[in-house]
Amino acid sequence: AQKVTQAQTEISVVEKEDVTLDCVYETRDTTYYLFWYKQPPSGELVFLIRRNSFDEQNEISGRYSWNFQKSTSSFNFTITASQVVDSAVYFCALSYLDSNYQLIWGAGTKLIIKP
Amino acid sequence: DTGVSQNPRHKITKRGQNVTFRCDPISEHNRLYWYRQTLGQGPEFLTYFQNEAQLEKSRLLSDRFSAERPKGSFSTLEIQRTEQGDSAMYLCASSFAGGEQFFGPGTRLTVL
Repeated sequence: AQKVTQAQTEISVVEKEDVTLDCVYETRDTTYYLFWYKQPPSGELVFLIRRNSFDEQNEISGRYSWNFQKSTSSFNFTITASQVVDSAVYFCALSYLDSNYQLIWGAGTKLIIKP
Repeated sequence: DTGVSQNPRHKITKRGQNVTFRCDPISEHNRLYWYRQTLGQGPEFLTYFQNEAQLEKSRLLSDRFSAERPKGSFSTLEIQRTEQGDSAMYLCASSFAGGEQFFGPGTRLTVL
């Protein structure tokens, strides 16, 4: 089965703490893409990153970093020095060739950053 | 602004009425997707188009739902004989095939 699991329903941290959001995926395909999206309280889904299955390099963008490990089928997302504006629901998603690249979504993790 | 736009942003209707939503994708994108999202849940896939062809419809999409993308540009999603269970946020996204999907702000439907 093709599936994305975000086991953390809600995380609450104090501003400036580092926080990691977990994402575990299942797929039989060897060609696939992994994504993270942010949905702030305003509701609009904002694309953060796409990673293909052949590129296991970690990525850093400012305070955001992503750790892709095929050995554990994980694609975790870390926010360093969190800020109140990072408060949102974060979704991990998977797409693959045989699904015609439709997105399979995780349930989302609600991140609360307290001042 | 070259992002995905959706209209209206909010729609309140009475049960049994028909509603239509519009999505204008990013112009270069050949794929357009419709999703539904209820509170506390992730987006649920409804249907998608590649150019003007509707390639897949979810089993969630009852006969009361229909979507079109007549010239491969904007798309409309119509819900006939609305029910209270149709109340949700309807999201539109566009992409290149295999590429990341960019989402519009959504249309929030409330059925009274």
